[in-house]
Amino acid sequence: EDQVTQSPEALRLQEGESSSLNCSYTVSGLRGLFWYRQDPGKGPEFLFTLYSAGEEKEKERLKATLTKKESFLHITAPKPEDSATYLCAVQAHSGGGADGLTFGKGTHLIIQP
Amino acid sequence: KAGVTQTPRYLIKTRGQQVTLSCSPISGHRSVSWYQQTPGQGLQFLFEYFSETQRNKGNFPGRFSGRQFSNSRSEMNVSTLELGDSALYLCASSLEGAVAFFGQGTRLTVV
Repeated sequence: EDQVTQSPEALRLQEGESSSLNCSYTVSGLRGLFWYRQDPGKGPEFLFTLYSAGEEKEKERLKATLTKKESFLHITAPKPEDSATYLCAVQAHSGGGADGLTFGKGTHLIIQP
Repeated sequence: KAGVTQTPRYLIKTRGQQVTLSCSPISGHRSVSWYQQTPGQGLQFLFEYFSETQRNKGNFPGRFSGRQFSNSRSEMNVSTLELGDSALYLCASSLEGAVAFFGQGTRLTVV
């Protein structure tokens, strides 16, 4: 069974204080690893897809990396508007199309001014 | 380009009733997936439809069902509602095998 564990569950940072969020996973044949951001009362917003170990992607203050067992979301010099819940999900290869995404419980990030 | 549209946004139902939720995918997307989000369990996969056929199904009871129409719009139905079915129901659409884009969700409250 595919599993995703995110840590920490919650993180409070000062504006400008860089940090990393962790996503550990076990999956029977990784098709892709996804990072989403979710604001209260809204649907998840896509951030990144990573497909193979060693891959990195960047967008503004965010950088996602992938190894064979975990992924990190690095946040550099965060701003209050980066406050949100960050979700990690994996998708396995399937004989009949794509499997559904298996999500972690998320990291609730608060950036204080 | 319009995003994924879910209706209604909020719904209150009584135990034992049934409910139907609707999802209009991004234009050109033929894959539609449904997820349930609760504080305790997080986001859990319900099922995925592609070209009007259910291709994958999560670990939910048969009270949860869905369908997809020829224009890729999808509906999910929950029969004999239970208090534990209270959740945010999210729909996502994608090109086959590509990134899933989510709608804003339908907040279902069962009383």
